[in-house]
Amino acid sequence: NAGVTQTPKFQVLKTGQSMTLQCAQDMNHEYMSWYRQDPGMGLRLIHYSVGAGITDQGEVPNGYNVSRSTTEDFPLRLLSAAPSQTSVYFCASSYLKTGIGGYTFGSGTRLTVV
Amino acid sequence: EDKVVQSPLSLVVHEGDTVTLNCSYEVTNFRSLLWYKQEKKAPTFLFMLTSSGIEKKSGRLSSILDKKELFSILNITATQTGDSAVYLCAVDPPEGAQKLVFGQGTRLTINP
Repeated sequence: NAGVTQTPKFQVLKTGQSMTLQCAQDMNHEYMSWYRQDPGMGLRLIHYSVGAGITDQGEVPNGYNVSRSTTEDFPLRLLSAAPSQTSVYFCASSYLKTGIGGYTFGSGTRLTVV
Repeated sequence: EDKVVQSPLSLVVHEGDTVTLNCSYEVTNFRSLLWYKQEKKAPTFLFMLTSSGIEKKSGRLSSILDKKELFSILNITATQTGDSAVYLCAVDPPEGAQKLVFGQGTRLTINP
């Protein structure tokens, strides 16, 4: 029972570098999403997907790209890292039919951009 | 724009006290309101509330939703140090919107 697996757990990037945060789920969830969490800001939605081949923007999409080629995987790409992207990133998934409230979260990726 | 506001942002109490955390929202026609507990890592699910006036309970935790006044409360009785965490409130929007809206969270600290 892996649930939602995020890698890496920690990452330090230099400004301007690119990288991909990986997210995989083995529950056959249709819905997958990426959030960032900053102090005092709660969780803010970056991008989400309701199925393979379908993605959409959330509240704070700038500087990030996503794709959903399979049901299981939903990677988040940082195109050119900036210090403002220093944050903790969470991937979450759920079934669509029961409402996205029944989220399963990954354990998070702590990203620091220097 | 949909908005969820939690209060207080931070709360420090002694073990054994009872606490009430508040969540107010400006979201129309939502499917459910949810409470999560976040310790050091990922948020973990506590409650899902869909109907007004019905209390959900789990041990020392309980929650109720008031759809008329647009708020929910989370009560924790006989608090323990293990209850120390950030408590998040979120609103699940209507089918088709697919964007869970979170509040800022309340950081609860229980001192022995």
